[in-house]
Amino acid sequence: DIQMTQSPSTLSASVGDRVTITCRASQSISSWLAWYQQKPGKAPKLLIYQASSLESGVPSRFSGSGSGTEFTLTISSLQPDDFATYYCQQYNSYSRTFGQGTKVEIK
Amino acid sequence: EVQLLESGGSLVQPGGSLRLSCAASGFIFRSYAMSWVRQAPGKGMEWVSAISGSGGTTYYADSVKGRFTISRDNSKNTLYLQMNNLRAEDTAIYYCANAKSIAARPFDYWGQGTLVTVSS
Repeated sequence: DIQMTQSPSTLSASVGDRVTITCRASQSISSWLAWYQQKPGKAPKLLIYQASSLESGVPSRFSGSGSGTEFTLTISSLQPDDFATYYCQQYNSYSRTFGQGTKVEIK
Repeated sequence: EVQLLESGGSLVQPGGSLRLSCAASGFIFRSYAMSWVRQAPGKGMEWVSAISGSGGTTYYADSVKGRFTISRDNSKNTLYLQMNNLRAEDTAIYYCANAKSIAARPFDYWGQGTLVTVSS
């Protein structure tokens, strides 16, 4: 299975900050990478797919980049609604694997 | 509006069985592959199983192969997960999620999950 390593596990930031989360794959997954946002007790929500494509309805402050094995999710100006846990996921094959998650907390 | 509503989670003893359901609405169910993903308490996400839109192709994580069976009823817009010989390590919130294909497409939508607790 492809292993996904996400960092940091926790991130403390303030409203307005630029935030970057990194995800590394154990082997090349081309651009078969998605980012999801999850709030407590809620279903995960798709933010970014194909590494850099913004899902419809997702604010433009979210962006993704990377290919191969190194990927990043950037929030250009953190908003109060963005405090949540973020997961990367590779979907190169049916055996999808996830990063461990990054919890974005209020500083 | 797309909705995925899981049900069937409960407390079950080790070695027991449980069937989870996921009722889908708001999209053409038969046109989407469906998956089950679980999240153990305080842990990350683990993909469990996937099924093609027709139901003719299924895949399982090694951790559940031979114990879990995924199926779907396209006439009822419902996905199922039959879980047998349950173990303590199967304790988790189980989510269903849809995707336009089994691979090469992200999960578009997820349900809110149903809790399975395996304990004596």
